[in-house]
Parts: sequence; C-alpha cells; structure tokens
Amino acid sequence: EAQVTQNPRYLITVTGKKLTVTCSQNMNHEYMSWYRQDPGLGLRQIYYSMNVEVTDKGDVPEGYKVSRKEKRNFPLILESPSPNQTSLYFCASSLFSDIRTDTQYFGPGTRLTVL
Amino acid sequence: TQLLEQSPQFLSIQEGENLTVYCNSSSVFSSLQWYRQEPGEGPVLLVTVVTGGEVKKLKRLTFQFGDARKDSSLHITAAQPGDTGLYLCAGTASGTYKYIFGTGTRLKVLA
Repeated sequence: EAQVTQNPRYLITVTGKKLTVTCSQNMNHEYMSWYRQDPGLGLRQIYYSMNVEVTDKGDVPEGYKVSRKEKRNFPLILESPSPNQTSLYFCASSLFSDIRTDTQYFGPGTRLTVL
Repeated sequence: TQLLEQSPQFLSIQEGENLTVYCNSSSVFSSLQWYRQEPGEGPVLLVTVVTGGEVKKLKRLTFQFGDARKDSSLHITAAQPGDTGLYLCAGTASGTYKYIFGTGTRLKVLA
C-alpha cells in the first residue's frame, strides 16, 4: 500500500531534550516536506526537500533541522525543543513532476507536546 | 509574503443546505488546490485548479478559480454529514518550491 508513515504518533517531552520524528514514504517520491498545524493558522511549511541531499527552508524553519540522506526518509530533528514547538506535525511527499499540480500525500501526523 | 485567507473560519449547517467557502489572496497563484482533512488524519487532495476562470466539479462539490488567479471558492450542494471536516486551500509561492496553505474552514454538517 502506498503510504507515508510517521513515528511516533504521539510524543510528550521536556524542554531541551533532543528528539527526532521519522518520516518514510514508499512511493519513490522526489519531494518531501514537513508541516506544523496549529489552531487558526492552518498548515505551515517547516522544511522541504526536492531530492536526496537537497533541502530548503519553508516559512517556519527556526528550531528545526532536517536531513535527506535517502530518498524514502526525511526525519525532522528538534535539537532543543521548546514549549512553542508543541504542535501537530505532518510529513508529506509528492512526485515533483509539476509543483503546481502535484498531489501531496500526507502522513497521519505526530502530536508533540513540549513541557 | 504570499498569504491565503479563508472564510468563514467555522461553519455549522444542517444536512441538505448549500454552502460556499472562500480562499482569497492579494497575490497571483499559478494554481490552487483544495484539501479536506478529517480528525486524526492528514489532509487529502480534492482538486487542483490551474486556469483562471476554471470550474471543476466533484459530485456535489464545485470548485472555481478566479479569473485573476487570486482567489478560489468551494461550493457544496446539499451538504451531508460525511462532508464534515477541515477544508484547506493551498498554492505554491511563485518562483519557489514552497507550499502555502490557507487558514482553513472547519465545516460541521448536522444530520
């Protein structure tokens, strides 16, 4: 089954404790992306990647890191989480054939709480 | 900075009623997409509109892209409880590979 998987689905942590949220897709997609979703703000793009070793900042990259060492994986790293990073996070992937019309496929989300 | 504003933010209607959701910007977009998100899940693409003035229909849902490609609307005819969810519009920021999402419209259809 074609899908985007994220782990963990739920995470409660404390300020300053490094964490990684994993994202994997099995559709051989070039483009992968991370979003955060907060009430009233919609989805905001954190980072995106157009191919292996190619990443770029979205609108809210501060406090986050990413890497794309393999095509299928795109982990999101919070080196020193803070309470304002408490949010619902989504990973997404797409073919990258035409950015205007590509379909993004989203993972199920990771709910992160930073105390 | 390109922004997409959606209205209304919340909508609660009775089954069988019609409704329209709006997605507006002061910037031109080369395309706009509409997604629906259900609780506990990620957004799912409904439609993409590319040409100014374009109208697309998906069963009871009608999507329109403004002539100037700065706005879009989603019209639902005879809403059903299964239409309940968060509706999001999205586009790509011109000259970049970044996606911009609207603030969302949370729809609840009561049986």
